[in-house]
Amino acid sequence: EVQLLESGGGLVQPGGSLRLSCAASGFTFSSYAMSWVRQAPGKGLEWVSAVSGSGGISFYADSVKGRFTISRDNSKNTLYLQMDSLRADDTAVYYCAKSQDFVVVVAAGCDYWGQGTLVTVSS
Amino acid sequence: DIQMTQSPSSLSASVGDRVTITCRARQTITNFLNWYQQKPGKAPKLLIYAASSLQSGVPSRFSGSGSGTHFTLTISSLQPEDFATYYCQQTYNTPHTFGQGTKLEIK
Repeated sequence: EVQLLESGGGLVQPGGSLRLSCAASGFTFSSYAMSWVRQAPGKGLEWVSAVSGSGGISFYADSVKGRFTISRDNSKNTLYLQMDSLRADDTAVYYCAKSQDFVVVVAAGCDYWGQGTLVTVSS
Repeated sequence: DIQMTQSPSSLSASVGDRVTITCRARQTITNFLNWYQQKPGKAPKLLIYAASSLQSGVPSRFSGSGSGTHFTLTISSLQPEDFATYYCQQTYNTPHTFGQGTKLEIK
């Protein structure tokens, strides 16, 4: 059974940092690209970042480029999102999601999602 | 960025109705279009990928069609558990933009 379990969310002051983790199990982690998607309270889904199966290629939304870093440790079956210089508009539930493909671009959708972890940026 | 526009933004329908939601891309995305269902407090669930491929385990009353810039999600006979918010997403290029969502409510 595929499982994705996010952790690391919480309350942080503007300008602060957080690192989210997503522990994966039930599939060959290194064979699939992974993504982070967020949802601000009462709003729609926003794609944040994605990384290829090998971890060698990553992509970011303009809204987080230069502040967030996606990475993965295939030996630990874990996906990460390092979030720096956090702003109030980064407040959201952050989901990790498994792609159906190894690559990020021209790929199929995400077939498994975690339960999400809430990040609140506030003073 | 490839902008995705869904219509309608909200929709009221009854159990048994046939419902269609439309998603348009600002530029061609060939068939790299996915549909998700999300219920309150839950993670999104993949329904359709590659515009028309039904994800494993998803009921056959859900179907998708389209290519290029115009796509549709059809629910052939609404069931009580189908009342939720639906999102389209393109995975042709990054950023993998989502539509704004369509909230399907009970009439």
